[in-house]
Amino acid sequence: EVQLVESGGDLVQPGGSLRLSCAASGFTFSSYSMNWVRQAPGKGLEWVSYITSRSTTMYYADSVKGRFTISRDDAKNSVHLQMNSLRDEDTAVYYCARAPGTTVTPLDYWGQGTLVTVSS
Amino acid sequence: DIQMTQSPSSLSASVGDRVTITCQASQDIGNYLNWYQQKPGKAPKLLIYDASNLETGVPSRFSGSGSGTDFIFTISSLQPEDIATYYCQQYDNLPITFGQGTRLEIK
Repeated sequence: EVQLVESGGDLVQPGGSLRLSCAASGFTFSSYSMNWVRQAPGKGLEWVSYITSRSTTMYYADSVKGRFTISRDDAKNSVHLQMNSLRDEDTAVYYCARAPGTTVTPLDYWGQGTLVTVSS
Repeated sequence: DIQMTQSPSSLSASVGDRVTITCQASQDIGNYLNWYQQKPGKAPKLLIYDASNLETGVPSRFSGSGSGTDFIFTISSLQPEDIATYYCQQYDNLPITFGQGTRLEIK
């Protein structure tokens, strides 16, 4: 069974940092691209970042470029999102989601999400 | 960025009704469109990929059509468990963008 489990969400002050993790199981992790998608409270879905299999390429939404860094550890079947210089508007549930092969979508499996709250 | 506009933003229908949601892209995206269902408090779930392909395990009452800039998502016979918010999503160009969502309620 495919499982994606996010962790690392927390309450953090503006300007602070946080590292999110997503542990994957039930599939050959190294063969899939991975994404982070976020959802602010009561709002819609916003794509954040994407990393191809073998970490060949990473892409970021303009709203997080230069502040967030995506990485993956294929030996540990995990993907991470390092979030620096956090802003109030980064408050959201963050989901990791996989995509087949080197494609960015479709996002065929999602984790349950982890809540990041940026507030003083 | 490609803008995705869904219509309507919310919809109330009765069990058994045929439900249609439209999604319009700000530019031609071919068939690079997916549809997701999100139930309250849950993660999104992929229903339709490449505009018209039903994801494995998804009931056949769900369908999608369209290409270019105009797309349609249909539930042929609404069931109580279909209460959710539905999102279209394009992947012709990065960044991936989602429609604003259509909240579906039972009348």
